[in-house]
Amino acid sequence: AQSVAQPEDQVNVAEGNPLTVKCTYSVSGNPYLFWYVQYPNRGLQFLLKYITGDNLVKGSYGFEAEFNKSQTSFHLKKPSALVSDSALYFCAVRDYRRSTGTASKLTFGTGTRLQVTL
Amino acid sequence: ETGVTQTPRHLVMGMTNKKSLKCEQHLGHNAMYWYKQSAKKPLELMFVYNFKEQTENNSVPSRFSPECPNSSHLFLHLHTLQPEDSALYLCASSQDQAGGLSRGTDTQYFGPGTRLTVL
Repeated sequence: AQSVAQPEDQVNVAEGNPLTVKCTYSVSGNPYLFWYVQYPNRGLQFLLKYITGDNLVKGSYGFEAEFNKSQTSFHLKKPSALVSDSALYFCAVRDYRRSTGTASKLTFGTGTRLQVTL
Repeated sequence: ETGVTQTPRHLVMGMTNKKSLKCEQHLGHNAMYWYKQSAKKPLELMFVYNFKEQTENNSVPSRFSPECPNSSHLFLHLHTLQPEDSALYLCASSQDQAGGLSRGTDTQYFGPGTRLTVL
C-alpha cells in the first residue's frame, strides 16, 4: 500500500527567507504526487502536482516542488516566504500501476504547519 | 473559490438527530468524494462517486449514508452519530476517467468543509 510521510509537524521561517516543507513517499508502482494548502477554516487548495516529465514542478503562489525518485521525495519549496504563506500544507500520493492502467486512491500525509514571521 | 460549495459550514447535532450535509460542484466534473478530517490525523477518504455510481466505500459505518443524485450534487446523510464523529467533513470533485477506473492524474478540488460537532 502507498504511504506518504511529512516528518515535520511545524516549520518556522522568517519572511523573505527560502522555505522547504518535506515530503517522502512509498509506492509499488509509479507515484503521482500532489501538494495542497489549507488556510484556517477552509478546505484544501491545490498547489501543484507531479505526474511525469520535468522533475521540477511549478505551482500556484510561487511554490515549486522537486521530484527525486532516488530519494523518494517531493519537497515543497519557495524562494522567499511571505507571512501570508502561513498555513497547513499537505502532501499526497497516488500509486499508478501500469499493469492495470489504474491508480490507487489519494493518500495524504498528516500535514506540516508553516509559520512565517516578520 | 474552488468551484465546490458545501452547506452548512457549521453543524452541531445531538447523537439522536438526523441531518444532511450538501456538496455542489460547478466544475463539470464527473467524480465526487467525501473526506473526514480529524485533528492530528491524515485525511480519511470515506466515499467516492463516479458518474453518480458509488465506486468506493472505505469501511465507513452505516450511520453515514451518501447520496449522489447527479454528477453535480453529493449528500452525506447522518444519523445516530457518536461524539468521535466530530470533525471537518470535506467534499471534493475531479474529472476522472469513465467507468471508475482512475488514471490518477486528475486533480481533486475541495470545498470549504462542514465543521460537525456531535454532542
